[in-house]
Amino acid sequence: AQSVTQLGSHVSVSEGALVLLRCNYSSSVPPYLFWYVQYPNQGLQLLLKYTSAATLVKGINGFEAEFKKSETSFHLTKPSAHMSDAAEYFCAVSDTGGFKTIFGAGTRLFVKA
Amino acid sequence: EPEVTQTPSHQVTQMGQEVILRCVPISNHLYFYWYRQILGQKVEFLVSFYNNEISEKSEIFDDQFSVERPDGSNFTLKIRSTKLEDSAMYFCASSPGQGQGYEQYFGPGTRLTVT
Repeated sequence: AQSVTQLGSHVSVSEGALVLLRCNYSSSVPPYLFWYVQYPNQGLQLLLKYTSAATLVKGINGFEAEFKKSETSFHLTKPSAHMSDAAEYFCAVSDTGGFKTIFGAGTRLFVKA
Repeated sequence: EPEVTQTPSHQVTQMGQEVILRCVPISNHLYFYWYRQILGQKVEFLVSFYNNEISEKSEIFDDQFSVERPDGSNFTLKIRSTKLEDSAMYFCASSPGQGQGYEQYFGPGTRLTVT
């Protein structure tokens, strides 16, 4: 069965610093992976998705993620954090049949001035 | 840009009462989903729905839950007799197709508080 594990429930960075949010997946088939962002009291917004076309995926708001099959990872990065990036980030994988999306536990990103 | 909408944004109900959460999926989408997120926890799949039938449901989706597409636009989640542990944010989602790679578009959620 597909699953994702997010390392670190909380990450704190300074404004302007690199953002790195870690996600490892487990899948019996080539996975389709997603990163979603949730701002306080709001819904889930898709940041980016990996569907096997390219290993480096660029998303909105300057985020990108690299699919590494050898490491079963799909870490999310942003070169320079902005205060507005403070939110909860969820890594997710589509299940084999595509019937549902399986979410990780989430990582809350704090950005310090 | 088309989006999924949900009403109400916040619902407060007493334990044992029935609640209906409403969603309007994106108009040309065919697949519909409900998820829930208990405060501070991960987003959990409840049910998927296609062609007026449930495609898949989780163990959370017991006999107290039901879904319906009563007309061509709305998609509803009913909880027959709410329990305290049903307090959560409920997200509706829709997608144009089903299968890996089809992203699901999520609504803003309904916060359900059971007292």
